[in-house]
Amino acid sequence: DADVTQTPRNRITKTGKRIMLECSQTKGHDRMYWYRQDPGLGLRLIYYSFDVKDINKGEISDGYSVSRQAQAKFSLSLESAIPNQTALYFCATSDLAGEVDTQYFGPGTRLTVL
Amino acid sequence: AQKITQTQPGMFVQEKEAVTLDCTYDTSDPSYGLFWYKQPSSGEMIFLIYQGSYDQQNATEGRYSLNFQKARKSANLVISASQLGDSAMYFCAMRERRSGANNLFFGTGTRLTVIP
Repeated sequence: DADVTQTPRNRITKTGKRIMLECSQTKGHDRMYWYRQDPGLGLRLIYYSFDVKDINKGEISDGYSVSRQAQAKFSLSLESAIPNQTALYFCATSDLAGEVDTQYFGPGTRLTVL
Repeated sequence: AQKITQTQPGMFVQEKEAVTLDCTYDTSDPSYGLFWYKQPSSGEMIFLIYQGSYDQQNATEGRYSLNFQKARKSANLVISASQLGDSAMYFCAMRERRSGANNLFFGTGTRLTVIP
């Protein structure tokens, strides 16, 4: 079983709809992240959480919200989806071990907003 | 200014040959980490290799090695003995220690195609 899972894997929705993307991990990591990837670009950070009660905005948080329901679960919501939020969304986890703190990614959710 | 620059949108390599994927970075933080990730056509992001700014030796992981030239701010990925399964997008990323977010700054990627 994958260590970091994302549901759904693919989603098509309409403008104005609320949508939630979910991420679960079995790695036991404290830190979790949401990124988005647009064609021809690298990943950009939306939100991150270092602990259950810790939520922080990333580079491109406008139009998104998150919830850290438990150490293992971190969900991303689009309150009112718009077409330019069409992208590939990744959840990642990390655990500070030594100095490396490598981030491990889920399989991604491909979201299309019509 | 871009923190990570990957100037090669696409690269081709013959199977069993070595290939170098370029990455330059920009930071004033003396403590940082450099990462390479592989993204196959299926879409997942796979961690390959890490280099810390204070590491004295170049990182190696199996067929992957990182050619770290600190003064030139470059962190090129070398893949030896290329295999067909190496065909994918490759992303260089950097984390700055002073960044409380601990987030990774990604380059735009290089698409590697291994030719049989």
